[in-house]
Amino acid sequence: DVVMTQSPLSLPVTLGQPASISCRSSQSLVYSDGNTYLSWFQQRPGQSPRRLIYKVSNRDSGVPDRFSGSGSGTDFTLKISRVEAEDVGVYYCMQGTHWPPFTFGPGTKVDIK
Amino acid sequence: QVQLVESGGGVVQPGRSLRLSCAASGFTFSSNGMHWVRQAPGKGLEWVAVIWYDGSEEYYVDSVKGRFTISRDNSKNTLYLQMNSLRAEDTAVYYCARDQNGPFDRWGQGTLVTVSS
Repeated sequence: DVVMTQSPLSLPVTLGQPASISCRSSQSLVYSDGNTYLSWFQQRPGQSPRRLIYKVSNRDSGVPDRFSGSGSGTDFTLKISRVEAEDVGVYYCMQGTHWPPFTFGPGTKVDIK
Repeated sequence: QVQLVESGGGVVQPGRSLRLSCAASGFTFSSNGMHWVRQAPGKGLEWVAVIWYDGSEEYYVDSVKGRFTISRDNSKNTLYLQMNSLRAEDTAVYYCARDQNGPFDRWGQGTLVTVSS
């Protein structure tokens, strides 16, 4: 199974400042069709997860443009350009290239300093 | 708008069975693959199972193979998860999620399953 790791696991941030979360996979996530199936999810306290980004850098409908995804191969990053209070929660990366199983990272908890 | 509403969770003794349902609306259910994902209390996300849009294929995480069965009724816009031989480690919130532009683009609110004697 592909193992997903994230760093940091806890990220205190200052409102209005940028934030960055790293995600690494145990093997390349490039699929035979040329796509890379790496997604990012946000889970606010007490809520269901919500997909923010798919195929590395594509924002889902309704996701603010302060969220961006980048990376390739085995190294990926989620960036928040200016953190807002509503961004508090846990962020997960997930790979959908080598499945089953689909595998998630352990999560990064973002809170306000 | 897209809605996924899970039901059927509850408290069940180890070794017993439970069936979860997920009622879908606001999209063409029969056109999308569907998943179950679970989250143990205070823990991360774990994918459980997927079923093709027409029910022709299904896949499971190893820990539930032979015990859980995913199915769907496209005439009722409903996804199911039959859970047999339940264990304490199956205790979790179970979410159904749609597959569009990749897995898990929309999620339900979840239903809690507690396996305890």
